[in-house]
Amino acid sequence: DTEVTQTPKHLVMGMTNKKSLKCEQHMGHRAMYWYKQKAKKPPELMFVYSYEKLSINESVPSRFSPECPNSSLLNLHLHALQPEDSALYLCASSQEGGRGNQPQHFGDGTRLSIL
Amino acid sequence: GESVGLHLPTLSVQEGDNSIINCAYSNSASDYFIWYKQESGKGPQFIIDIRSNMDKRQGQRVTVLLNKTVKHLSLQIAATQPGDSAVYFCAENLAGGGNKLTFGTGTQLKVEL
Repeated sequence: DTEVTQTPKHLVMGMTNKKSLKCEQHMGHRAMYWYKQKAKKPPELMFVYSYEKLSINESVPSRFSPECPNSSLLNLHLHALQPEDSALYLCASSQEGGRGNQPQHFGDGTRLSIL
Repeated sequence: GESVGLHLPTLSVQEGDNSIINCAYSNSASDYFIWYKQESGKGPQFIIDIRSNMDKRQGQRVTVLLNKTVKHLSLQIAATQPGDSAVYFCAENLAGGGNKLTFGTGTQLKVEL
């Protein structure tokens, strides 16, 4: 079982809905990440939080809004999504975000479908 | 008909044989590399990592080789088992870029009984 927990596992929403994805880790990691993965493709980085501050935004549309309430939790707020946003959304964590050379540990993702 | 880009490179091996999965990375300034295994319906699972000051690292049944001259990374799996069937991704971390990973395109490993 993964030590990064994501909820919900599946989410179906309309283009006008507002929903949130949640991620939790209890490994004491201080860096957390959101990735988007389309079918048969590699994960693509969206956001990085380091010590609860947003450190990287990979030019993600504003309809995706990340939030890091504390060092163990990471949310992704969704609003007015498009059908092309349907994908697997993965959360990951690592010991620190400021330095490289550290493995990221992934959750099993939320499978998001936009109607 | 088929759609471009929806088919991963596939490696088929017999159970018990050794597997070698290759990856060409893009940036000569990358200094840290990771191999991940992703099973259907799961997130990527860390297998092994290697830093650029090394050219080989071994784990349990797995070995990673790094050739910085040609920007090539490989994952060797000894005595491949049915449970090894998955998609394997290499990932690189650019030196000084924080912990920002860039993933390769992935290889589907199929283990035949």
